Amino acid sequence: SQKIEQNSEALNIQEGKTATLTCNYTNYSPAYLQWYRQDPGRGPVFLLLIRENEKEKRKERLKVTFDTTLKQSLFHITASQPADSATYLCALDDNAGNMLTFGGGTRLMVKP
Amino acid sequence: DADVTQTPRNRITKTGKRIMLECSQTKGHDRMYWYRQDPGLGLRLIYYSFDVKDINKGEISDGYSVSRQAQAKFSLSLESAIPNQTALYFCATSTNYGYTFGSGTRLTVV
Repeated sequence: SQKIEQNSEALNIQEGKTATLTCNYTNYSPAYLQWYRQDPGRGPVFLLLIRENEKEKRKERLKVTFDTTLKQSLFHITASQPADSATYLCALDDNAGNMLTFGGGTRLMVKP
Repeated sequence: DADVTQTPRNRITKTGKRIMLECSQTKGHDRMYWYRQDPGLGLRLIYYSFDVKDINKGEISDGYSVSRQAQAKFSLSLESAIPNQTALYFCATSTNYGYTFGSGTRLTVV
């Protein structure tokens, strides 16, 4: 069956360090992968989309990699700040462009 | 005004009651979705619609129905609410570049 795995344990890092979150998937051949940020009690907010033919994409302090051979995406936040503390979700399309399936998310805590 | 507005924000209802959650969007997108979120289970798709005449079941549609009244409006109904439908419900719209979510409706069925 199709599965998207994100580390369910919270990631705790010190302000200024680089946070790296992992998204692994099985039994998917997605055309693209997306990352979202979710704050408690709020809806997810779109951050980045990376296509299957792209290895890396950057946006300000964010960087996403996408390895379709390893079936893995890495999400990096450089120079992390306490305001980056949130849950980060990865999502994959069903390759028919119909819908996204979300991972369970990883909670990031950045300590000052 | 928010791009995607959900009402109500919070609702407590009794088992067996019919309840409707409403969603409206100002982004002019054709595609709309309803997801529910439970702790530890992430977001799961209930229904989606690609235009006013298009309705599709998602992963967990049993016990739910939807209505796409207009391009901007997509409502979710629980015909006879049960306690395991207690969850956070999100409406979303999309283009080929990302989804826009509403702020959610926290539903409690007692």
